Amino acid sequence: QKEVEQDPGPLSVPEGAIVSLNCTYSNSAFQYFMWYRQYSRKGPELLMYTYSSGNKEDGRFTAQVDKSSKYISLFIRDSQPSDSATYLCAPGDNFNKFYFGSGTKLNVKP
Amino acid sequence: NAGVTQTPKFRVLKTGQSMTLLCAQDMNHEYMYWYRQDPGMGLRLIHYSVGEGTTAKGEVPDGYNVSRLKKQNFLLGLESAAPSQTSVYFCASSYSIGAATEELFFGEGSRLTVL
Repeated sequence: QKEVEQDPGPLSVPEGAIVSLNCTYSNSAFQYFMWYRQYSRKGPELLMYTYSSGNKEDGRFTAQVDKSSKYISLFIRDSQPSDSATYLCAPGDNFNKFYFGSGTKLNVKP
Repeated sequence: NAGVTQTPKFRVLKTGQSMTLLCAQDMNHEYMYWYRQDPGMGLRLIHYSVGEGTTAKGEVPDGYNVSRLKKQNFLLGLESAAPSQTSVYFCASSYSIGAATEELFFGEGSRLTVL
């Protein structure tokens, strides 16, 4: 079983739509939960960071973690064409090791 | 401030050849990592280092060696390249004492093709 499972998509939505991206993980030792955004032919960049269960909001983005069900979500409100990218969830342990999902490719159509 | 710099950005090798990828960071980070990214597989950790002079194996270390002789540099070596090592390689660094998060800072990637 992979440490982190993520639906690869691709996911295609119209501009302005609400997007939901999800991951599940198997290791209950994970304490940090990150979402990275990767544009084509670029390195990933940190988008959201949460520690423990609950919600965290940053502008149009909301990260949600449910440690009891080992479920991670990222919501994008009012999606824009500039949000078109691959989104990688990355839970991590206390030793600065992170385990990446395979990424969900998102395309927001104007 | 360059962040994380990887060289070379592109390379084509023949099976059996050797090469070294260089990663340099100017953020005084303690930890450095090498990942490979393949379609449908996400980012997989090859080797990592928690400080100068230290290295450790990640998920997929076979066929690779690493060295961290200087804090700012992390080298990834392929001793005898195989077609299965065709991939995009990303270097990342993290953690400076007092940092607010454990954010990974990535380089732009090195595209390696083994024929």
